[in-house]
Amino acid sequence: EDKVVQSPLSLVVHEGDTVTLNCSYEVTNFRSLLWYKQEKKAPTFLFMLTSSGIEKKSGRLSSILDKKELFSILNITATQTGDSAVYLCAVVNTGKLIFGQGTTLQVKP
Amino acid sequence: EAGVVQSPRYKIIEKKQPVAFWCNPISGHNTLYWYRQNLGQGPELLIRYENEEAVDDSQLPKDRFSAERLKGVDSTLKIQPAELGDSAVYLCASSLDGGRKNEQFFGPGTRLTVL
Repeated sequence: EDKVVQSPLSLVVHEGDTVTLNCSYEVTNFRSLLWYKQEKKAPTFLFMLTSSGIEKKSGRLSSILDKKELFSILNITATQTGDSAVYLCAVVNTGKLIFGQGTTLQVKP
Repeated sequence: EAGVVQSPRYKIIEKKQPVAFWCNPISGHNTLYWYRQNLGQGPELLIRYENEEAVDDSQLPKDRFSAERLKGVDSTLKIQPAELGDSAVYLCASSLDGGRKNEQFFGPGTRLTVL
């Protein structure tokens, strides 16, 4: 059975801290891995990763994929209160997204 | 560009009542998805449409759930009758070309509470 597992499930940090969120997967017909940020509403797209070892970067966020070890990490540096959200990892399996359970990040002032 | 539109945003019903959700995808997106997200969980796919054809409905509980996308644009998801366990957020998403770029755009969701 395909599965995506995220860790930790929740995390509380202070502004300025750096966080690393983990996503491991066991999926047949892997196509790509996506990271989403979900606040009170719809998930918003952050990154899509298809190749191992190539870091994707957007401001203070970065992500990398390891297809040999079947995991990805999402890093957020110099966290801000606006980074507080649920971060979802999803793996694409022939057009279908399989989501992990999410990591709830709370950034305190 | 308008995003994925869903309505209603919130719905409270009593168990055994019917309920319907509506989704209008981003213009030009031929692939439409319905997801259910339980509290503290990631979204789970219920059904995926390519134009008006349901290409993956393996996770749709067909005894009480139904969906349609008659003209390949808007879609409705119906539950009849609703059960307590159906309380969740129902998300609609769309993508271009079957998601070959694998980026799905999500609507704001409908939060359903079944009492």
